[in-house]
Amino acid sequence: GESVGLHLPTLSVQEGDNSIINCAYSNSASDYFIWYKQESGKGPQFIIDIRSNMDKRQGQRVTVLLNKTVKHLSLQIAATQPGDSAVYFCAENYNTDKLIFGTGTRLQVFP
Amino acid sequence: ETGVTQTPRHLVMGMTNKKSLKCEQHLGHNAMYWYKQSAKKPLELMFVYNFKEQTENNSVPSRFSPECPNSSHLFLHLHTLQPEDSALYLCASSQTGGTMNTEAFFGQGTRLTVV
Repeated sequence: GESVGLHLPTLSVQEGDNSIINCAYSNSASDYFIWYKQESGKGPQFIIDIRSNMDKRQGQRVTVLLNKTVKHLSLQIAATQPGDSAVYFCAENYNTDKLIFGTGTRLQVFP
Repeated sequence: ETGVTQTPRHLVMGMTNKKSLKCEQHLGHNAMYWYKQSAKKPLELMFVYNFKEQTENNSVPSRFSPECPNSSHLFLHLHTLQPEDSALYLCASSQTGGTMNTEAFFGQGTRLTVV
């Protein structure tokens, strides 16, 4: 993807380990949060979302945690696989038609 | 396949050319978006349309002109672009309304190179 030129934070994990990707969001009024995955040459793909009335939500191999007190969001990936290698973006929504993205984190999975 | 289709996938244009990017969504969503993703910046929101009405213009130069003829189609008309406009242009759609907004679905993007 285009993020390859950015000096993105990079997380390197061994296959099978758990990954934790963090994100700080900017607006305390944001009430909806989404994690996206972007592989090279593709558009961002939805992974999981969470609304502000929750602090944890689980999907298949992924968990999102929301800490509104410190405006922090995290994505946990269990048993990370090579196919999880990508750039991960968090996004926040504080007006129903405006989705703002963070800078992204590159996840590298090595055998 | 996300239900959002962008054409063309790649475009090379000169600074004096006029071209258009097209986006079509088959998801029945009411909101559509243009984002710019460059090598130097993360995803930047450019324009938002909700029920065909523009609700956001994020200080985008006038050489980018959006058009939304209906809720399923979105265009980005380009004219007299600069080399720094070279980027991946992403279209997205979502369903908005009240407090129950949903995630945005993205197309594959148009990789634009201005020469």
